[in-house]
Amino acid sequence: DGGITQSPKYLFRKEGQNVTLSCEQNLNHDAMYWYRQDPGQGLRLIYYSQIVNDFQKGDIAEGYSVSREKKESFPLTVTSAQKNPTAFYLCASSIPGQSYNEQFFGPGTRLTVL
Amino acid sequence: DAKTTQPTSMDCAEGRAANLPCNHSTISGNEYVYWYRQIHSQGPQYIIHGLKNNETNEMASLIITEDRKSSTLILPHATLRDTAVYYCIVRDRIIIQGAQKLVFGQGTRLTINP
Repeated sequence: DGGITQSPKYLFRKEGQNVTLSCEQNLNHDAMYWYRQDPGQGLRLIYYSQIVNDFQKGDIAEGYSVSREKKESFPLTVTSAQKNPTAFYLCASSIPGQSYNEQFFGPGTRLTVL
Repeated sequence: DAKTTQPTSMDCAEGRAANLPCNHSTISGNEYVYWYRQIHSQGPQYIIHGLKNNETNEMASLIITEDRKSSTLILPHATLRDTAVYYCIVRDRIIIQGAQKLVFGQGTRLTINP
């Protein structure tokens, strides 16, 4: 089955530790995205990547870092510089260059920093 | 970005049609209207999109007014599994290197009642 995998579903970390969230897709999509969602709110874009070895900051990139070494993978690191890291993190992918943009989302990782 | 305005919440009886309105009065000529939904603690799911004409697929129908300043998503026979937050999104005009930003607001929380 084609899709997007995020692991783990729940993640707990101590304050001050960096943590890396996994996102893998087998849809052969070039573009990938990371969003953050806080309770009762919509999604906010953290980083996005059009192609391997390329990525751009979204609206709330401070305190986060990403890499895109493989087409299938777009891991997100939440650093200790992120002031309020507890949130629901969603990864998505799409085919760039379409006249419309359907994004496919993973199941999300709920990060809690204690 | 063209902003969207949606009611915070709506209720609908199971088996009836659910009509979800969205205002996007500042939409420009080349911007699409997208609808996504998010079932609790899952990633958003694409439903439908449109530019000018009404659209229908296996999930829903999208009615866009002639002046394009508003639209309505119709779920023709709502079931309990349609309970979710529904997001109306107008695609960001800026196409950045082929990866297209979607701006998610707070959406409408639709509750289907038995």
